[in-house]
Amino acid sequence: SSELTQDPAVSVALGQTVRITCQGDSLRSYYASWYQQKPGQAPVLVIYGSNNRPSGIPDRFSGSSSGSTSSLTITGAQAEDEADYYCNSRDNSANDVVFGGGTKLTVL
Amino acid sequence: QVQLQESGPGLVKPSETLSLTCTVSGGSINSYYWSWIRQPPGKGLEWIGYTYSSGSTNFHPSLKSRVTISTDTSKNQFSLKLYSVTTADTAVYYCARIRRESSGYRFDYWGQGTLVTVSS
Repeated sequence: SSELTQDPAVSVALGQTVRITCQGDSLRSYYASWYQQKPGQAPVLVIYGSNNRPSGIPDRFSGSSSGSTSSLTITGAQAEDEADYYCNSRDNSANDVVFGGGTKLTVL
Repeated sequence: QVQLQESGPGLVKPSETLSLTCTVSGGSINSYYWSWIRQPPGKGLEWIGYTYSSGSTNFHPSLKSRVTISTDTSKNQFSLKLYSVTTADTAVYYCARIRRESSGYRFDYWGQGTLVTVSS
């Protein structure tokens, strides 16, 4: 099955812009979805499709894709954005689901 | 607003069967796909499998031989059984609704998660 690769940790200064990436062959064919997970809580969908935000997700969250890399961008990071972020996609060769290993975002 | 709630034993002995149920409220289980995902302590998310309300299923290749997922539309529930568990199966187990589209998959509603510990 396919794999999705994420940087284990990323940091950003308060109010600055940060990009979290997800890389994998399946992303050439399918969009990634992105999830935010805070300690002790379930993941929350923040971006899906070409660049869609579920209701209630702030517009500082956006998504983009190029080749085998998908990106989640937070423009003007807030303290409450400090969390783990996961990407997922459909597997390239089957109807399976793949998750990235997650990125821990620290807001300085 | 769709809500999901996991239920089941929090402690399972090695070699026994882990059984969890997810109750869906605020919407019908019919005509959607439903999934189980787990997260070992301090680690990332792992997809276990999904089922359609009609009963068709798909599982993670590494778990396929040990897992079943079933639905009970009369109770608006779906369930997970994981057989022959080991300590490596200790994790928080989440149920979620999965939207399968030609452009990709996403999990739009999640349960709060339930910790299952495998220990004698």
